[in-house]
Amino acid sequence: DAGITQSPRHKVTETGTPVTLRCHQTENHRYMYWYRQDPGHGLRLIHYSYGVKDTDKGEVSDGYSVSRSKTEDFLLTLESATSSQTSVYFCAIKHGGSVNEQFFGPGTRLTVL
Amino acid sequence: AQTVTQSQPEMSVQEAETVTLSCTYDTSENNYYLFWYKQPPSRQMILVIRQEAYKQQNATENRFSVNFQKAAKSFSLKISDSQLGDTAMYFCAFTDDKIIFGKGTRLHILP
Repeated sequence: DAGITQSPRHKVTETGTPVTLRCHQTENHRYMYWYRQDPGHGLRLIHYSYGVKDTDKGEVSDGYSVSRSKTEDFLLTLESATSSQTSVYFCAIKHGGSVNEQFFGPGTRLTVL
Repeated sequence: AQTVTQSQPEMSVQEAETVTLSCTYDTSENNYYLFWYKQPPSRQMILVIRQEAYKQQNATENRFSVNFQKAAKSFSLKISDSQLGDTAMYFCAFTDDKIIFGKGTRLHILP
């Protein structure tokens, strides 16, 4: 357990509404990531952060924005949710140093009707 | 662009047998890390094993071992004495900075 929590764990929303997912970590890791997981696609990187207010895009960033105002929190926002954003969303942190592995939160299942 | 390919979408083996999951990747980097993650029905992503590219020795974690062939860009996972609890999706992943995942192999261990 790398001290990563995600909220909410489940959410159902309607097309066109804004949605914000929160990732919270307790171990002061610099790097944080948001992925989405869909059948047949594995995990795909949406956005990542390498420090407070430092973020960058991943391979599927369209329709998503992120913010990191504190080390411990990394927010993912869907400005206007679409049905194609129905997915399971995972947050991850990276251990630095020589190991470089990532640890994942429990995931958030988002359904956009 | 870096890519990770898992050519076996689904596999089934009998309990106690040995099974090998394949993974190939493509990169121009020389220093990187490779991982195998397990995702059971609980959906939690669990790190199974990791390999540093600069190490020639294959990593081993109890019943899990890898066959790392750097020149061939191959990184297969071997599970020995398979158990029912090994039933899960398995993802191969590559990283030098950001992690790139394969699409996964669904493994069924049959009683």
